[in-house]
Amino acid sequence: KAGVTQTPRYLIKTRGQQVTLSCSPISGHRSVSWYQQTPGQGLQFLFEYFSETQRNKGNFPGRFSGRQFSNSRSEMNVSTLELGDSALYLCASSQTMNTEAFFGQGTRLTVV
Amino acid sequence: KNQVEQSPQSLIILEGKNCTLQCNYTVSPFSNLRWYKQDTGRGPVSLTIMTFSENTKSNGRYTATLDADTKQSSLHITASQLSDSASYICVVSKTSGGSYIPTFGRGTSLIVHP
Repeated sequence: KAGVTQTPRYLIKTRGQQVTLSCSPISGHRSVSWYQQTPGQGLQFLFEYFSETQRNKGNFPGRFSGRQFSNSRSEMNVSTLELGDSALYLCASSQTMNTEAFFGQGTRLTVV
Repeated sequence: KNQVEQSPQSLIILEGKNCTLQCNYTVSPFSNLRWYKQDTGRGPVSLTIMTFSENTKSNGRYTATLDADTKQSSLHITASQLSDSASYICVVSKTSGGSYIPTFGRGTSLIVHP
């Protein structure tokens, strides 16, 4: 059974640009959640999608958005990138909300 | 304020020894508590999940305990191995209008020396 796949693995963007990250969940999983991990703040919850609907959201500005498609794949978008957005972005999938989550390898975003 | 505090921040032990990591939380209303292991450069891997009614959960050499009254949890690692070197993260979720909001601890960095 394939695990959670995140693409791309590495990304370098310039301040002010926007970026889209992709996450393919484990087959059969309907919940996808996104997290930001930085050395300074640790892991922080961004948002969770279930059945194409955002179910809950962390404390991040509106520049961070996401969506989930009918096949449960999810994308996360960050607009008007800032230097502080440099981080490892992790995606996790689970069968339903609040069940065991399986993480992908993450996308390492560097903003210059 | 919903917080999760882990201690110690880092720990160095010899291979074969046992160790215990601590997690204290103020998250409310409580839904569940999870322990994750994160190797450098990789995503976290779930070790245990405990709900309010569970006070012990094991996964091989890993045993987690939960005291919901004092809002404390511990992760005990038995007979440590070099591969146990990683960051261990405690996550406490609260219920919020039918959904679940996780709060992460900063993690304990464990180094196992031969």
